[in-house]
Amino acid sequence: DGGITQSPKYLFRKEGQNVTLSCEQNLNHDAMYWYRQDPGQGLRLIYYSQIVNDFQKGDIAEGYSVSREKKESFPLTVTSAQKNPTAFYLCASSMRGEDTEAFFGQGTRLTVV
Amino acid sequence: SQKIEQNSEALNIQEGKTATLTCNYTNYSPAYLQWYRQDPGRGPVFLLLIRENEKEKRKERLKVTFDTTLKQSLFHITASQPADSATYLCALDNTGGGNKLTFGTGTQLKVEL
Repeated sequence: DGGITQSPKYLFRKEGQNVTLSCEQNLNHDAMYWYRQDPGQGLRLIYYSQIVNDFQKGDIAEGYSVSREKKESFPLTVTSAQKNPTAFYLCASSMRGEDTEAFFGQGTRLTVV
Repeated sequence: SQKIEQNSEALNIQEGKTATLTCNYTNYSPAYLQWYRQDPGRGPVFLLLIRENEKEKRKERLKVTFDTTLKQSLFHITASQPADSATYLCALDNTGGGNKLTFGTGTQLKVEL
């Protein structure tokens, strides 16, 4: 089945630790995105990548890092510099170009204690 | 500043009625607007896309309108069913190129028997 897979679904980490969230897609999409969703707020863009080996900061990139070494994979690292890392993280992919729909993964709920 | 507004209050309607959700935006000139459905704890799922030169788009029981003068989109679900209960998000392209979407906060719809 074609789709976009995020793992794990739930993740717990201690404060001060870096953590990496996985996102893999087999839709052959060039573009991939990371969003963060907090209660009562819309999805906020963290990073996006339009092509392999290239990525850009979104609206809330501070405290996060990404890599795009393969077309299928776009992992997100939440670093200890992120002040409020507890949130629901969503990865998405789409074809390049305008007016194309985004396909989302099922999300990773990160809790930092 | 740029803003996308959706009614934060939940919309409760009776089964069989038409649900109408609103998306208003300021300081955007989007080439297109998208609507997504999100169920609790899951990623959004694409429903419809409407371009700036289109007034209306339909898909089965769904209808979307787009008024670039009013800077507003309306999303209608006719003959609503309890299975339509979810949060509905509107999203705009905010770059004029590519698919870097900005999302509204969403409106929760509850369809009651």
